[in-house]
Amino acid sequence: EADIYQTPRYLVIGTGKKITLECSQTMGHDKMYWYQQDPGMELHLIHYSYGVNSTEKGDLSSESTVSRIRTEHFPLTLESARPSHTSQYLCASSELRGHQETQYFGPGTRLLVL
Amino acid sequence: TQLLEQSPQFLSIQEGENLTVYCNSSSVFSSLQWYRQEPGEGPVLLVTVVTGGEVKKLKRLTFQFGDARKDSSLHITAAQPGDTGLYLCAGEKPGDYKLSFGAGTTVTVRA
Repeated sequence: EADIYQTPRYLVIGTGKKITLECSQTMGHDKMYWYQQDPGMELHLIHYSYGVNSTEKGDLSSESTVSRIRTEHFPLTLESARPSHTSQYLCASSELRGHQETQYFGPGTRLLVL
Repeated sequence: TQLLEQSPQFLSIQEGENLTVYCNSSSVFSSLQWYRQEPGEGPVLLVTVVTGGEVKKLKRLTFQFGDARKDSSLHITAAQPGDTGLYLCAGEKPGDYKLSFGAGTTVTVRA
């Protein structure tokens, strides 16, 4: 079982509020990722990090920001939430097994912006 | 345009029946992974296939990677209600650690 945690699991918040979604892993993985998942759509990579002080934007444009000050922690922040940010946010970390990256996912945060 | 197309989008079958889920692309992948996601949880890795033509079996699940490494299939024999979930395929392109995901197939196995 993967040791990767996300909080909160569910969040209902009003437009304009600042929110931070937490993600922590205890596996010592250098690589971490944030995905956005909507029903019937593929997982979209919005941010990733290959190590401390390294962050990159993913394939899907996002108004969120991330930080990686510690290996185990990769929080995602929305400065001003909007209804269009309503989605499920999945955090993952990965390790190299053989020649392939194996990703481990957290349980997700389901966000509803009113 | 999705890099990985999964079909069908939904599949509902009776317990004991067999099913096959497909994952297709026009791109070549160095590896392809299959995940299962249950409601309220994150995806969990089932298998990774890396060699063109490779077949892997995991109990009642059989995974195949196409010869050209552009497509894959997942076959479940004698499906059980515990097999219910969203099945996602994800491909790793050569030289890139990031994964591209398909939209998934929602499988429902009725008791």
